[in-house]
Amino acid sequence: DAGITQSPRHKVTETGTPVTLRCHQTENHRYMYWYRQDPGHGLRLIHYSYGVKDTDKGEVSDGYSVSRSKTEDFLLTLESATSSQTSVYFCAIRDYTDTQYFGPGTRLTVL
Amino acid sequence: GESVGLHLPTLSVQEGDNSIINCAYSNSASDYFIWYKQESGKGPQFIIDIRSNMDKRQGQRVTVLLNKTVKHLSLQIAATQPGDSAVYFCAEKPPNRDDKIIFGKGTRLHILP
Repeated sequence: DAGITQSPRHKVTETGTPVTLRCHQTENHRYMYWYRQDPGHGLRLIHYSYGVKDTDKGEVSDGYSVSRSKTEDFLLTLESATSSQTSVYFCAIRDYTDTQYFGPGTRLTVL
Repeated sequence: GESVGLHLPTLSVQEGDNSIINCAYSNSASDYFIWYKQESGKGPQFIIDIRSNMDKRQGQRVTVLLNKTVKHLSLQIAATQPGDSAVYFCAEKPPNRDDKIIFGKGTRLHILP
């Protein structure tokens, strides 16, 4: 998994609760990404970061926020989880060749 | 079980045969292409990449072919093994876009014994 870990790996939560997913890299890469993967949609970009405290929205950012206070950590927060946010979430890093490498994923279920 | 991959096209290949997985990409200006393999319950894994100034690139048991005229990418896997069973998808990167990699939906490769 190219030096990327995600935590937790599985989470079940209830509608309306806040949830934070963590991505940690050991590669010291500048760019980090959060995607969600759903059947029929493939991978969709939620937010990405191009440096500490530098983030931007992706195509499905509504209901999500991110923070990057250190190069190695990129946090994804669902302020108030909804059932439509049940998904598998992947973090990725981008190296100097533009290749993105993915973490192992977090399976989130919102009841 | 893994829910990603439902309703994907499936390619069934006899063990030992060669596999060819195809992908049509969308942006004629894309200058970088990647193939990923995703096994059940795991994250996408980089297999091989190719830049738009090349037509072919070979790796270990894998070859990627790029046809820019028809915006087509293919992944060839030689001597397919049971461990090759997975969902494969291509990705394209438009130029000068930090945020943008366009991922295909994927093809499931099923290995017949």
